[in-house]
Amino acid sequence: SYVLTQPPSVSVAPGKTARITCGGNNIGSKSVHWYQQKPGQAPVLVVYDDSDRPSGIPERFSGSNSGNTATLTISRVEAGDEADYYCQVWDSSSDHRVFGGGTKLTVL
Amino acid sequence: EVQLVESGGGLVQPGRSLRLSCAASGFTFDDYAMHWVRQAPGKGLEWVSGISWNSGSIGYADSVKGRFTISRDNAKNSLYLQMNSLRAEDTALYYCAKDGGYYGSGSPRGYFDYWGQGTLVTVSS
Repeated sequence: SYVLTQPPSVSVAPGKTARITCGGNNIGSKSVHWYQQKPGQAPVLVVYDDSDRPSGIPERFSGSNSGNTATLTISRVEAGDEADYYCQVWDSSSDHRVFGGGTKLTVL
Repeated sequence: EVQLVESGGGLVQPGRSLRLSCAASGFTFDDYAMHWVRQAPGKGLEWVSGISWNSGSIGYADSVKGRFTISRDNAKNSLYLQMNSLRAEDTALYYCAKDGGYYGSGSPRGYFDYWGQGTLVTVSS
């Protein structure tokens, strides 16, 4: 089955840029989606189809995907961005949805 | 406004069964596939099962295949998960999630654009 690998944690100072990676075999050939989950809350879709944002998601959230790595970039990080972030793809070979293990973003 | 409200969770002994429900509103339910996603305490997200708009296509994670059954009732705008032979490792918060739909080519978009607040299932003796 398809495996997505994320770093367990990323730390960033307020106002700086955070980059969270998601590794997978030839992930650049798939559409990658990203979710934000704050403590005690359900996940929220923040980026879909590699780089598109749902309505209501700030432009500070962006995504890219190429080769074996997809990246979620959060610019001008705010304290309110502190959360767990998950990448996710649809694995067409199994018709399963697959999540990465999640990355805890800490705002210093 | 899209709303997904799960129910049916609780404490159950290993080997027993439980049925989860998800009541959907705010969108045309029978236009979209639906899914169950779970999260064990302190752990990450795990896709459990998905069902197409007309129940013609159903999928399960390997960890639940043969024990769980997903179904839907479009007349009632409801999604279900029948969980049999429950194990301690099935303990989790179970979320109902709406599928993002399909591309023009017919391929699924593959993401979950709305989530419920979850219902907690605890499997313990």
